[in-house]
Amino acid sequence: KNQVEQSPQSLIILEGKNCTLQCNYTVSPFSNLRWYKQDTGRGPVSLTIMTFSENTKSNGRYTATLDADTKQSSLHITASQLSDSASYICVVPLSGTYKYIFGTGTRLKVLA
Amino acid sequence: GAGVSQSPSNKVTEKGKDVELRCDPISGHTALYWYRQSLGQGLEFLIYFQGNSAPDKSGLPSDRFSAERTGGSVSTLTIQRTQQEDSAVYLCASGGGYNEQFFGPGTRLTVL
Repeated sequence: KNQVEQSPQSLIILEGKNCTLQCNYTVSPFSNLRWYKQDTGRGPVSLTIMTFSENTKSNGRYTATLDADTKQSSLHITASQLSDSASYICVVPLSGTYKYIFGTGTRLKVLA
Repeated sequence: GAGVSQSPSNKVTEKGKDVELRCDPISGHTALYWYRQSLGQGLEFLIYFQGNSAPDKSGLPSDRFSAERTGGSVSTLTIQRTQQEDSAVYLCASGGGYNEQFFGPGTRLTVL
């Protein structure tokens, strides 16, 4: 069954600290995986996309990793800021279709 | 406009009433999706439009739900005889290249 699972479900950290969010998928065949950030009351916005051949990619303080063998991805946030408080959603497309499998997200709260 | 817009941003209605939600996609995007996002759940696919092709309605949860897209641009999602379980955030996304979806801010529907 094609699934995307994320952990933890929620996370609270202090401003300035680092954190890592996890995404495990069973979607096959696999082409790419995308991380979205969803602020409260807003739609998801793409942070980064990881293709099959990529292991790591950075976007500012966000670094995504992908292990296609173990079907795991992580999103590492460095030196967190209050504005990082949001839900982070992992999404994998169903190859050959226009549909996507969405994880339930990780809700991150950064405290001052 | 620069992004996907949705209206209204919030809608409170009484059980049994009909509601209409609107989505203005990014100009030139031929693909348009409607999703439902309930608390603690991943995005649930509702319907997909692609150009002039027949839409994929396979995600609509009941015959009370319908959607149309006029002129390949604006889309409306209609829910008839609303029920309390219809309360959720309804997100619209239009498609771009390389599987990226651009999301609107959503409509928060509350059925009393």
